[in-house]
Amino acid sequence: GENVEQHPSTLSVQEGDSAVIKCTYSDSASNYFPWYKQELGKRPQLIIDIRSNVGEKKDQRIAVTLNKTAKHFSLHITETQPEDSAVYFCAASRALTGNQFYFGTGTSLTVIP
Amino acid sequence: NAGVTQTPKFQVLKTGQSMTLQCAQDMNHEYMSWYRQDPGMGLRLIHYSVGAGITDQGEVPNGYNVSRSTTEDFPLRLLSAAPSQTSVYFCASSYSQRNEQFFGPGTRLTVL
Repeated sequence: GENVEQHPSTLSVQEGDSAVIKCTYSDSASNYFPWYKQELGKRPQLIIDIRSNVGEKKDQRIAVTLNKTAKHFSLHITETQPEDSAVYFCAASRALTGNQFYFGTGTSLTVIP
Repeated sequence: NAGVTQTPKFQVLKTGQSMTLQCAQDMNHEYMSWYRQDPGMGLRLIHYSVGAGITDQGEVPNGYNVSRSTTEDFPLRLLSAAPSQTSVYFCASSYSQRNEQFFGPGTRLTVL
């Protein structure tokens, strides 16, 4: 099956700096890559996603890049704010085999005011 | 729209007891999944369903059963609870496997 690895496991940045979280996947058939944010005690919520026919996608301060050849994708958060502090999960899904989403182990991001 | 709902929010079981975690969605989503979340291990897929009457195993299915008799409901059954099943359980639904998954609020289960 798919194996998704996520790094780093913890990340601390100063407010206003950028944060980058990286994920790699093993199955070249994966074609949908969402990122979820989970605040303490809450449910995961989608913040951005990318499909395999696109190399980059941006939504205000958040961007995701995908390199299909290297099988890795990254989340970029610019101008970080304290409310960005949370755990972020990447995931990969294969459209041909049903609803199987494979998640990374998460990155705990702390933005220091 | 209530979205994805789960009951109960908290549950304590003794080893060997059985119980059912309930999950329902009102978005007419075909795809539904159950995950468990353990510290440092992310979200691991237990079982999933691509439509009423169709279910399949995920990464960690042992000790759990599911059924999908309607589009709306996807209950998860623990047959004989074990301490290793202490976890937070999330149900999720999506329109398709290439669309956003919506998560329920979670059930925190402790098995003594």
